[in-house]
Amino acid sequence: NAGVTQTPKFQVLKTGQSMTLQCAQDMNHEYMSWYRQDPGMGLRLIHYSVGAGITDQGEVPNGYNVSRSTTEDFPLRLLSAAPSQTSVYFCASSFPSPGTTGANVLTFGAGSRLTVL
Amino acid sequence: AQSVTQLDSHVSVSEGTPVLLRCNYSSSYSPSLFWYVQHPNKGLQLLLKYTSAATLVKGINGFEAEFKKSETSFHLTKPSAHMSDAAEYFCVLKTSYDKVIFGPGTSLSVIP
Repeated sequence: NAGVTQTPKFQVLKTGQSMTLQCAQDMNHEYMSWYRQDPGMGLRLIHYSVGAGITDQGEVPNGYNVSRSTTEDFPLRLLSAAPSQTSVYFCASSFPSPGTTGANVLTFGAGSRLTVL
Repeated sequence: AQSVTQLDSHVSVSEGTPVLLRCNYSSSYSPSLFWYVQHPNKGLQLLLKYTSAATLVKGINGFEAEFKKSETSFHLTKPSAHMSDAAEYFCVLKTSYDKVIFGPGTSLSVIP
């Protein structure tokens, strides 16, 4: 079992460039989510999805787009990168949703470190 | 409003001494609480979770946490620190069926 796979692990962008962070899970998890991690701020939820075709905004969604066309994949798109988006990004999944009674906890990917110059 | 506070941004202990990482929460209904650990340049791993069963929760690697409703706390403890415990620790609160809030994290250093 690969678990949650994120690519790329490292990326450097120039301001205004676009890119997509990929996230794939092979556990048939309903719930997938993207977080950014910044020093002293913990992890903040960007977007999440409770199933294929369903997405919603988290705490810090501005500047990011997501889609969920399949259960397995949940890509995060930066349409016009800004230096404020320099961060470490984590994808996480669970089945069912993480707050549901008896739910499995979140399984995290290894992270993607993004630098925007 | 729902929130998580980790009272110490950094804790330093000597190897073999007890560990205490403090977490307080604010929630308008019965909370589910978690502790995650992140080793350097790694993803996050679940240590333990509280979901309204026993108030003393045992986790992996000798860690445990006690849920105290009267104090709105969920502190993480370990009787004897090991060098491999050096990491970042996050207290996490479930806010609704599909969202969680992470605390800012506590960095644990273990001195040989």
